Parts: sequence; structure tokens; C-alpha cells
Amino acid sequence: GQNIDQPTEMTATEGAIVQINCTYQTSGFNGLFWYQQHAGEAPTFLSYNVLDGLEEKGRFSSFLSRSKGYSYLLLKELQMKDSASYLCAVPDSNYQLIWGAGTKLIIKP
Amino acid sequence: EAGVVQSPRYKIIEKKQPVAFWCNPISGHNTLYWYLQNLGQGPELLIRYENEEAVDDSQLPKDRFSAERLKGVDSTLKIQPAELGDSAVYLCASSFGEYAYNEQFFGPGTRLTVL
Repeated sequence: GQNIDQPTEMTATEGAIVQINCTYQTSGFNGLFWYQQHAGEAPTFLSYNVLDGLEEKGRFSSFLSRSKGYSYLLLKELQMKDSASYLCAVPDSNYQLIWGAGTKLIIKP
Repeated sequence: EAGVVQSPRYKIIEKKQPVAFWCNPISGHNTLYWYLQNLGQGPELLIRYENEEAVDDSQLPKDRFSAERLKGVDSTLKIQPAELGDSAVYLCASSFGEYAYNEQFFGPGTRLTVL
């Protein structure tokens, strides 16, 4: 079966760096997504990793290790607007996305 | 380019009443998804359409939920009768292509409160 684990909540300081981890178990592997969701809003796409390694996109980077079933989202130079939930998702064997519960990131001044 | 449009944004009804949600996907997106999201949880798929065909509705509670996507464009999700446990945000998303590794674009959602 499919299983995704993320920390429920994290707190970080404005201007700092934070790493949000995601571990997953799948019967196959077709990539891993990260989405951002501000309170009361819809999820928006951040990244999609299918190969091992780090992909950088501005202040946000996403890392994948397929052998370890592990990914992380790295946010640099944190801004107050980065306060949101960060959702990890992987496709299942039917090619449908299975979503984690999300990590609520709180940014303090 | 217009995003995914959903209406209404908010709906409050009493239990046992019917309710309907409407979604218009991004133009050209053949795949449409309806999700349910509870507070502090990730989205849960209710139904997925490829054009006008429902290709995955295994998570849809068919005794009270129904959906349609006539002409393969906009879609309606209905609940009849609504129960207290149906209170949640109902999200519609669309993508170009039928595979889950295609980026999904979400609408703003409909927040349903059942009293």
C-alpha cells in the first residue's frame, strides 16, 4: 500500500532556512510532488522530482532519494509569506496522487 | 489564462438537504479531479474524469454522491442528502494529460458546512 509521512508542524524564523521532510512507501515509483497551500486557499505546485538529487528553483529546493524513500523541501531566506502548509504527494500504482497530511510551517519575525 | 473556476465558494446547509458544486477547468485540460479536504489533511480523491468518462470513482460514496462532466468540460458534484460528516472543502483540479505526474491546477474550493 501507499504511505506518506510528514511532520505535522514546524516553526522557523524569518530569514532562516528550513527543511521539511517527507518519507514515502509505494509499490512503484513515478515521482514525488511538493505543493504549497496557504490557509483557506488551494494547493499550488512547487516541484516534481523523479530522479535522485537536488533540484533548485529560486529560494526553494527539493531533494529526492529513491533508495531511501525520502524527500525534503528546503526553503531559504524565509519570508513571512512562506507561512503555509507544504504537501508531499506521490502517484500510486493507478497513477493517482496520494497526498500526505501536510506540514504546517509557521514563520516568526 | 483563466484558472480553475469553482462555485459557490461557501455553502451552508442543513443536514439531509441536497447541495451541488460546479467546476470549470482550465481550457484544454482533459483531466478533471474532485477532491475532498478536511482541516489539517491532504486532499482525498473522490473522482477523476478523462474527458467525459469517469475513470476512477472508487472513493466516491455513491449512495449519496454523484458527479457528471457532460461534454468533457465543466463538471458538477452533488450530494443528496448531505450529512454532518460531509462538512469539508471540496476542491476541483485539472491537468493536461491523464497521468498523475502531470501538474494539477486547483480551483479555490467550496467550503461546505452542514448543520
